[in-house]
Amino acid sequence: NAGVTQTPKFRVLKTGQSMTLLCAQDMNHEYMYWYRQDPGMGLRLIHYSVGEGTTAKGEVPDGYNVSRLKKQNFLLGLESAAPSQTSVYFCASSTNTGELFFGEGSRLTVL
Amino acid sequence: ILNVEQSPQSLHVQEGDSTNFTCSFPSSNFYALHWYRWETAKSPEALFVMTLNGDEKKKGRISATLNTKEGYSYLYIKGSQPEDSATYLCAFRGGADGLTFGKGTHLIIQP
Repeated sequence: NAGVTQTPKFRVLKTGQSMTLLCAQDMNHEYMYWYRQDPGMGLRLIHYSVGEGTTAKGEVPDGYNVSRLKKQNFLLGLESAAPSQTSVYFCASSTNTGELFFGEGSRLTVL
Repeated sequence: ILNVEQSPQSLHVQEGDSTNFTCSFPSSNFYALHWYRWETAKSPEALFVMTLNGDEKKKGRISATLNTKEGYSYLYIKGSQPEDSATYLCAFRGGADGLTFGKGTHLIIQP
């Protein structure tokens, strides 16, 4: 019973490098989300999707891109990583009205 | 940016005592209010999803109330136990948007 799976769980990047975080859910949820967690800031919404092929900006979208080509997957991309993007990233999914189910988090360090 | 505020920021409670904390959120365009429990080194897990003004939800020793007209929700823990130590997050959904989280109340139960 996988639920929400994030890969990779840890990554170290140099400034300017690019990478993609993958989120996969097996609950047939319509909604998927990417949050970042920073000390003293709580969970902040980066981008979200209300269905396959749709994406929308959250509170802190700059420097990130997302794609939802398949219903079960939500990808978060960093085109040119910056030290300010050092964070723990959480993916989540939900029905349109229900609770969020979170992945285990991906810790990204940008040097 | 939606304003979701939680207070207090942290709380130390003696084992066996009861406690409560507050979440305030916009009173317009309300769709749902969520509460999550977040233990260290784990992912947030949902406690309650509340949608109606006057809603009261209960799960074991934990309960929550909702006032959408004035924009606040209370979370109550009765007879605190060490395993209740965690960060408690509330999150507001307005319409078909992503969830906006508060910064959380960090609860420590002292034996």
